[in-house]
Amino acid sequence: DAGITQSPRHKVTETGTPVTLRCHQTENHRYMYWYRQDPGHGLRLIHYSYGVKDTDKGEVSDGYSVSRSKTEDFLLTLESATSSQTSVYFCAVTSGDYNEQFFGPGTRLTVL
Amino acid sequence: AQKITQTQPGMFVQEKEAVTLDCTYDTSDPSYGLFWYKQPSSGEMIFLIYQGSYDQQNATEGRYSLNFQKARKSANLVISASQLGDSAMYFCAMREGPAGGGNKLTFGTGTQLKVEL
Repeated sequence: DAGITQSPRHKVTETGTPVTLRCHQTENHRYMYWYRQDPGHGLRLIHYSYGVKDTDKGEVSDGYSVSRSKTEDFLLTLESATSSQTSVYFCAVTSGDYNEQFFGPGTRLTVL
Repeated sequence: AQKITQTQPGMFVQEKEAVTLDCTYDTSDPSYGLFWYKQPSSGEMIFLIYQGSYDQQNATEGRYSLNFQKARKSANLVISASQLGDSAMYFCAMREGPAGGGNKLTFGTGTQLKVEL
């Protein structure tokens, strides 16, 4: 499982509140990613990181920010959550023979 | 234009039969990679198989094989001898550019496969 955990695993919050999701990995992977999964859209990249303090935007980055102050932690923040951000959020790292991505267990976020 | 297209929202297959899940892609980059992932109802994403654009042979991993037709830009997943545990959502994904640690993936919308007795 590439040593990836996500917290929390489930969260319900209200519109307008800030939310931070955490991705933690124990195997010193350099590259990390945040995706969201929505029905009919597959997985879409939100932000990614090439290393500590080195991040960039993905396809659907509006309304999200990220930080990576340590190799092992990649944080995704919704500054002011909206109902359109209700989704399942996956963290991933690059590893393996083919530089495939390995995914964390996901966080189900509901914004009411 | 969609970079990854999976045209089958849902598929049914009888146990022990083979099934093909379709994936077409669109890229102008000569170097790319194609991945298939499985997502069971429990939600985790499981990497199944990889095909590189310069690979001469179709990839195989156990009961999974990839029917790679470069000229048609298709990378169909073939599951042989289907099992009940194969019931899941399957995603095709593409990396554009040479393999490297920081490659982003573009995913298709998935195909829901149900294996029946």
